[in-house]
Amino acid sequence: SSELTQDPAVSVALGQTVRITCQGDSLRSYYASWYQQKPGQAPVLVIYGKNNRPSGIPDRFSGSSSGNTASLTITGAQAEDEADYYCNSRDSSGNHRVVFGGGTKLTVL
Amino acid sequence: QVQLVQSGAEVKKPGASVKVSCKASGYTFTGYYMHWVRQAPGQGLEWMGWINPNSGGTNYAQKFQGRVTMTRDTSISTAYMELSRLRSDDTAVYYCARNVRIAAAGINWFDPWGQGTLVTVSS
Repeated sequence: SSELTQDPAVSVALGQTVRITCQGDSLRSYYASWYQQKPGQAPVLVIYGKNNRPSGIPDRFSGSSSGNTASLTITGAQAEDEADYYCNSRDSSGNHRVVFGGGTKLTVL
Repeated sequence: QVQLVQSGAEVKKPGASVKVSCKASGYTFTGYYMHWVRQAPGQGLEWMGWINPNSGGTNYAQKFQGRVTMTRDTSISTAYMELSRLRSDDTAVYYCARNVRIAAAGINWFDPWGQGTLVTVSS
């Protein structure tokens, strides 16, 4: 399959925990990676693999996966976490292509 | 540091072609596939394809087959994406992104991304 599905919008109160999910058949074979995008900026990698954070990404960001669903969790959301979040993985159809989720707009209240 | 720097904004008429460049620095250019992703105004990320800078091999999304050409010049560590027969709905920010993968573990990610190149198609 070549689709990853994300909720269009999620909100969280300042300091609370939020989970953003991504569903797709390809996630049964490949790990998702997650990207944060703020208005007018390029996407930035926040999580890759099982649960790896690039240098400079706060440890309040974590990732997990089960079956066909990958999740990005922000524990203790901050105002600066308000952004669009995209998941991504290899396409599992064997054509060496890539798919992105439709993105989730996170609002921090 | 690892960095991708893209060419500047372009304005094109419908039916024309555009070629966007992406200059890599801080790493071995031929060691990582380069992908291109675009984002229409207010929309999500759309994968376009990749180029293997070592071999020049390419793989394009079905949607862009026949209209997109990805090339590279290893002597200057630069990748290119050319899109032809432009339409108004090709108006978007085009990004290059370095792909890193651990194939045996099913792990794949994009880091870094270029700053983006706005291509506007308008008559």
